[in-house]
Amino acid sequence: QFVLTQPPSVSEAPRQRVTISCSGSTSNIGNNGVNWYLQFPGKPPKLLIYYDNLLPSGVSDRFSGSRSGTSASLAISGLQSEDEAVYFCAAWDERLNGPVFGGGTKLIVL
Amino acid sequence: EMQLVESGGGLVQPGGSLRLSCAASGLTFSTYWMSWVRQAPGKGLEWVANIKEDGSEEYYVDSVKGRFTISRDNAKKSVYLEMSSVRAEDTGVYYCARERTTSGWYLDYWGQGTLVTVSS
Repeated sequence: QFVLTQPPSVSEAPRQRVTISCSGSTSNIGNNGVNWYLQFPGKPPKLLIYYDNLLPSGVSDRFSGSRSGTSASLAISGLQSEDEAVYFCAAWDERLNGPVFGGGTKLIVL
Repeated sequence: EMQLVESGGGLVQPGGSLRLSCAASGLTFSTYWMSWVRQAPGKGLEWVANIKEDGSEEYYVDSVKGRFTISRDNAKKSVYLEMSSVRAEDTGVYYCARERTTSGWYLDYWGQGTLVTVSS
């Protein structure tokens, strides 16, 4: 029932590259920047990417983001076991006049 | 170092009330919008409410309108969430977070969260 749609899980081997998709509509992703968060079990979310592809200070450049139309993607290169976490996308929604999140994607590093 | 510390969570009966607090340190609190975001057990994130820097504007997700009230005290560097007429579906971890709107909208700092359990 989340406004933004993410796959429940993705998996890839270490040292490979994986992408996580986030699908929305014109009222959110179509007209507003997307941000990404990661969350480890029992921990609060942490900002990973903002405004589609900007990295906060301290975030590894193995993470990158993009947006096209009403969809966005998070890419993680050089996968490491410590990247195993849940990743959430979010964007402002003009119709709801508030931010909306995706349901989260669990990344499994094989 | 910036820190957000939530408190006030606990067990509350359906229909009851609870007040959550979030104390900030290490930032110029009065210059930022603040948000509350919740997460039901094992579920995703849901934005609940936010409040403008000076407290003059506040917004809510539809599911809590009329039941929850967000407020802030800039002198105490704190933001609050007054919850009333709570329901089982309000159960979850409640996080306060700092909002940024300089490049799009995003939440750049989050507290550790406080657990609210609504049950009889």
